[in-house]
Amino acid sequence: GAGVSQSPSNKVTEKGKDVELRCDPISGHTALYWYRQSLGQGLEFLIYFQGNSAPDKSGLPSDRFSAERTGGSVSTLTIQRTQQEDSAVYLCASSSDGARVYEQYFGPGTRLTVT
Amino acid sequence: QKEVEQDPGPLSVPEGAIVSLNCTYSNSAFQYFMWYRQYSRKGPELLMYTYSSGNKEDGRFTAQVDKSSKYISLFIRDSQPSDSATYLCAMSYSGGGADGLTFGKGTHLIIQP
Repeated sequence: GAGVSQSPSNKVTEKGKDVELRCDPISGHTALYWYRQSLGQGLEFLIYFQGNSAPDKSGLPSDRFSAERTGGSVSTLTIQRTQQEDSAVYLCASSSDGARVYEQYFGPGTRLTVT
Repeated sequence: QKEVEQDPGPLSVPEGAIVSLNCTYSNSAFQYFMWYRQYSRKGPELLMYTYSSGNKEDGRFTAQVDKSSKYISLFIRDSQPSDSATYLCAMSYSGGGADGLTFGKGTHLIIQP
């Protein structure tokens, strides 16, 4: 079956612009996760959705970051007023439900470059 | 001290060798332990997960968890050039998703033909 998909695969933007990153989880998966992978920093957990609800947004790096999920499926991660330190690969993952956090399947990521 | 420590490598071994990859961690609250493989410019691919201490085998891969030592390992038997990738260990506190996964920085593995 289809895996997790993300779009765009690459995004180059100018400092100060807003960007939207999209994630389509595996069909039927109710839990969705966003991570950021920076060079030398490894994978950093950002936010978790169970259905459309994100119980804890404290992992988002700053108030310029926001995320939403609608219809229990597609999620968007929005970064406002991008900065050069936002350059990273943004990865989305899903699991069948939040109890199976140990069985996450990742998408290919969106490589964001802020110039 | 980072929560999860992993030697970045690179680790280079000849084809057919047994590979040992390791992580140490500091938080005894971790309950689930995962290994992911990541090829260049791709997303991480789940290899195995283990709950608490013990061993788990899947084909050429064996995962070991020693909670008393806060040490986990992944062994790859009969290594192949296609195993060349970055291997990431990951951990979670419980079966709940709210804390996500905590990752090591990954070990870059090279299998020489």
